[in-house]
Amino acid sequence: QSVLTQPPSMSGAPGQRITISCTGSSSNIGAGYDVHWYQQLPGTAPKLLIYDNSNRPSGVPDRFSGSRSGTSASLAITGLQAEDEADYYCQSYDSSLIGSWVFGGGTKLTVL
Amino acid sequence: QITLKESGPPLVKPRQTLTLTCTFSGFSLNTRGVGVGWIRQPPGQALEWLALIYWDDEKRYRPSLKSNLTISKDTSTNQVVLRMTNMDPVHTATYYCAHTFGASDSFDIWGPGTMVTVSS
Repeated sequence: QSVLTQPPSMSGAPGQRITISCTGSSSNIGAGYDVHWYQQLPGTAPKLLIYDNSNRPSGVPDRFSGSRSGTSASLAITGLQAEDEADYYCQSYDSSLIGSWVFGGGTKLTVL
Repeated sequence: QITLKESGPPLVKPRQTLTLTCTFSGFSLNTRGVGVGWIRQPPGQALEWLALIYWDDEKRYRPSLKSNLTISKDTSTNQVVLRMTNMDPVHTATYYCAHTFGASDSFDIWGPGTMVTVSS
């Protein structure tokens, strides 16, 4: 089981807004460690989408946004497009014995 | 432009040692704040962080695998090597190396990955 919990799958129609959640605990997100989000298109390596909770690397559309509150974080995608169909992973740092850099279990987003 | 590329054997036998090399360009592992990490992904499963080495040779390992992992760097050849002993079929995965920098513990640039199958 992953240290960070994400819904296994989500779906939305083109143009819609969806939000993917990432739930942690007091040893990671709740301890104030930053959350990062990655997009993994089929058959490719993950790509950094959001870093330090809400920052977008150069080239990432502003349709993607992130936030963190308490022991959770979320990734919002507005104006859903067919090209957004991918797996999305959250990542943080954990100060317990479970591990240091920890990932969520991933969310498969389907664009209907 | 930062690039990373993983290389290693596509097939290893159970109980053997796996040696993976990450060859990078566009940055130096002598630069303060720079790190290179290894992450793996079993087929159809989630990402799992394995190890990370920093510019100052600080090394970090996944606690559950610490006794099986060794990470090292060669700044003259711009390479990071990960050795994993006692390989098991459950370790079949795509192995990625990735760049990290500064105060953020995110991995901003990833290699394309290399698939390793553990089978007799």
